[in-house]
Amino acid sequence: SQKIEQNSEALNIQEGKTATLTCNYTNYSPAYLQWYRQDPGRGPVFLLLIRENEKEKRKERLKVTFDTTLKQSLFHITASQPADSATYLCADDMRFGAGTRLTVKP
Amino acid sequence: ETGVTQTPRHLVMGMTNKKSLKCEQHLGHNAMYWYKQSAKKPLELMFVYNFKEQTENNSVPSRFSPECPNSSHLFLHLHTLQPEDSALYLCASSQDRPGHNNYGYTFGSGTRLTVV
Repeated sequence: SQKIEQNSEALNIQEGKTATLTCNYTNYSPAYLQWYRQDPGRGPVFLLLIRENEKEKRKERLKVTFDTTLKQSLFHITASQPADSATYLCADDMRFGAGTRLTVKP
Repeated sequence: ETGVTQTPRHLVMGMTNKKSLKCEQHLGHNAMYWYKQSAKKPLELMFVYNFKEQTENNSVPSRFSPECPNSSHLFLHLHTLQPEDSALYLCASSQDRPGHNNYGYTFGSGTRLTVV
């Protein structure tokens, strides 16, 4: 069956480091992948969308890559800050991964 | 505020009650969605409306009944729910599908539903 998965439930890093989150898909080829941020008790907030023919996309301290060979998207936050602590979700068209909870420690 | 407003924010209901969740957007979007988010599980798509017409029903039990009177409003009518239906119910909207325009979904803050 088609799956979109975020295998890391949680990631803890030190402030100032780069956070890297992974999203894998199996048994299909999504035309694009989306990344969202979700804070506790709130709905997800859209961050970036990357298409299968785009290798990389950036927005301020955020960078997303799409590797069709590895069937994977990576989401990077550079110079991370405690305010970046949240759950990050990847999604294809309408299907979401379970999310990775990022904690940035001062 | 994201532009998508959901009411109520919290709802406690008995298994024999009937209640409704409301979602409103004034972003000019043509598509609206209901998602269910349970603890430690991915968001589950429930219903999709495009220009007021239901285009997707993701095998949702009939105790959940959606209504979309116009492109700005979406309701989820609830009756005879089970305790396992307790979850965060999220409404979202978009202008077409995200891949058409590089913009994703705009979500509301959700309704935290507890069925007792």
